[in-house]
Amino acid sequence: DTEVTQTPKHLVMGMTNKKSLKCEQHMGHRAMYWYKQKAKKPPELMFVYSYEKLSINESVPSRFSPECPNSSLLNLHLHALQPEDSALYLCASSQGPSNMNTEAFFGQGTRLTVV
Amino acid sequence: GENVEQHPSTLSVQEGDSAVIKCTYSDSASNYFPWYKQELGKGPQLIIDIRSNVGEKKDQRIAVTLNKTAKHFSLHITETQPEDSAVYFCAAPSVRGLSFGAGTTVTVRA
Repeated sequence: DTEVTQTPKHLVMGMTNKKSLKCEQHMGHRAMYWYKQKAKKPPELMFVYSYEKLSINESVPSRFSPECPNSSLLNLHLHALQPEDSALYLCASSQGPSNMNTEAFFGQGTRLTVV
Repeated sequence: GENVEQHPSTLSVQEGDSAVIKCTYSDSASNYFPWYKQELGKGPQLIIDIRSNVGEKKDQRIAVTLNKTAKHFSLHITETQPEDSAVYFCAAPSVRGLSFGAGTTVTVRA
């Protein structure tokens, strides 16, 4: 099983809303990632959790707040987003630490629209 | 950090023909090179990868070759089919996670 499950698949939110994206994997992977992908562009790294601790924050605005409750779950809390934050948000996981020299598997993403 | 360049940006092939996508990387210490296929509305799917201790790896109709001296690696798709139409990304590891190429949109014409 190489499945990374993301919910919801689609999300429309207003600029004053608070919402959360969820990600789950049961492969025993100890590194989990959030990526942001704009149309026709490659994924851009946002956050990396390694052994449930935040190891990399790619200078992401504080309106995005990640959380790793346990080794299988990763959340991304959203608050006061801007329309330019509309994108596909991808979760990924890999077996080892964040240097990603091992296979990394992506979820299907959450298509976020900020209105 | 790692810099990955990918060419071409778009590729249109006749069904049954071959498709080749090329990537170059900058960090000579990189030793793992995955390829992802992303269909419309879906997340990237790992389709094949190669480590630096081998020069070529094949899985049915897809193959990847690696030239460590020249720091480039390529994806080869043979006997292309309509379901091969997608965006393909090469990648290489860096201390800040995977560095992706810009992507290649492959269209297989029936």
